[in-house]
Amino acid sequence: QSALTQPASVSGSPGQSITISCTGGDSDVGGYSHVSWYQQHPARAPKLMIFEVTNRPSGVSNRFSGSRSGNTASLTISGLQAEDEADYYCSSYTWRPNPHVVFGGGTRLTVL
Amino acid sequence: QVQLQESGPGLVKPSETLSLTCTVAGDSVSNRNCYWGWIRQPPGKGLEWIGSIYYSGNTHYNPSLKSRVTIPVDTSKNHFSLKLSSVTAADTAVYYCARIGGGDWGINSWGQGTLVTVSS
Repeated sequence: QSALTQPASVSGSPGQSITISCTGGDSDVGGYSHVSWYQQHPARAPKLMIFEVTNRPSGVSNRFSGSRSGNTASLTISGLQAEDEADYYCSSYTWRPNPHVVFGGGTRLTVL
Repeated sequence: QVQLQESGPGLVKPSETLSLTCTVAGDSVSNRNCYWGWIRQPPGKGLEWIGSIYYSGNTHYNPSLKSRVTIPVDTSKNHFSLKLSSVTAADTAVYYCARIGGGDWGINSWGQGTLVTVSS
């Protein structure tokens, strides 16, 4: 069982927007701004898409955006494209019971 | 641009110790602005944090693996390693080495991953 809760799957049509949620608690998502999102295509290493809740690394499309409300972080992808079809994982720093990182269980995005 | 490459046996026997090495190019394992760590992914499943280490030697292990994990660093060879003891079939996974942002804990660079199977 993952420390952070994500929906198992989401889907959308090309051009639409989708949002993936990531729910944790006060000791992780709600307690720190160290929330990240990763995209993983089949048989590939994950790729950092969002860090510190809202920041995009250089080279990541501005169609990807992050936000947070309380203990739930969200990843929104606008203007869906076929190449966005992938698994998406959230992560958060936590201090409990010792400093480390926890992941969500992952969300499979299908572009219809 | 940093590059990370995992190396080590692809097959480990139950109860033995899994040992992998991550060679870093384009950055230094002594970099004070980041951590160096390991993440794994069992076949068909999600990502799991194993642990990370800072240049000072401070570590950040997954509590569920802490008793079996060490992450030594060799600054002379610019690489770091993973040692996971007493492995079982549940430790079968693709193991990734990674660079983690020191201020933001984002995993900003990943190795390609290496599959380790635990079987007799």
